[in-house]
Amino acid sequence: DAGITQSPRHKVTETGTPVTLRCHQTENHRYMYWYRQDPGHGLRLIHYSYGVKDTDKGEVSDGYSVSRSKTEDFLLTLESATSSQTSVYFCAISDVSKNTGELFFGEGSRLTVL
Amino acid sequence: EDQVTQSPEALRLQEGESSSLNCSYTVSGLRGLFWYRQDPGKGPEFLFTLYSAGEEKEKERLKATLTKKESFLHITAPKPEDSATYLCAVENGGGYNKLIFGAGTRLAVHP
Repeated sequence: DAGITQSPRHKVTETGTPVTLRCHQTENHRYMYWYRQDPGHGLRLIHYSYGVKDTDKGEVSDGYSVSRSKTEDFLLTLESATSSQTSVYFCAISDVSKNTGELFFGEGSRLTVL
Repeated sequence: EDQVTQSPEALRLQEGESSSLNCSYTVSGLRGLFWYRQDPGKGPEFLFTLYSAGEEKEKERLKATLTKKESFLHITAPKPEDSATYLCAVENGGGYNKLIFGAGTRLAVHP
């Protein structure tokens, strides 16, 4: 199994508070992604990274920011959480040398915003 | 706009009852179509990549096929352990291996 660890796995927070989710990989893959998964919508891309300090927006990036200061870590921050950001968040990595679009996913982080 | 639609949303089968899941797509410059399996409480797990119309891939009881507008995931003589959500995704010409996912089909196989 690909070495991807997400933390925390579960979090309950209140509206307006900041939240940071962490994704850590041990595969040294260059590409990393944050997706959210909601019933009826499938997985939607929030942000992605194609190298250290190189990030870009996905289709649902409003209200989220990311940072990647090391190859192995990709952080997702909700500056001021809202109830619409209640979701399951998945981190994924991809081996750019294969260029197949095969993503390896973490176990997910379930976030509830009250 | 690139889009992936999966049908049915949910499917219930008896063990041994073969069936097919559908994934229809509209995408500018298809680079690949992907099937993933997702178990409850887990992240998606890669199954297949298809690159061009007419291509087929097989793995145990699963067979994926691709046309210019849709893909099918055929499940032959399914077993209860095949129960999962099956996700279809496409990659367009935007690069960086970014995938656009469908909402998935929840498959339940009963003994």
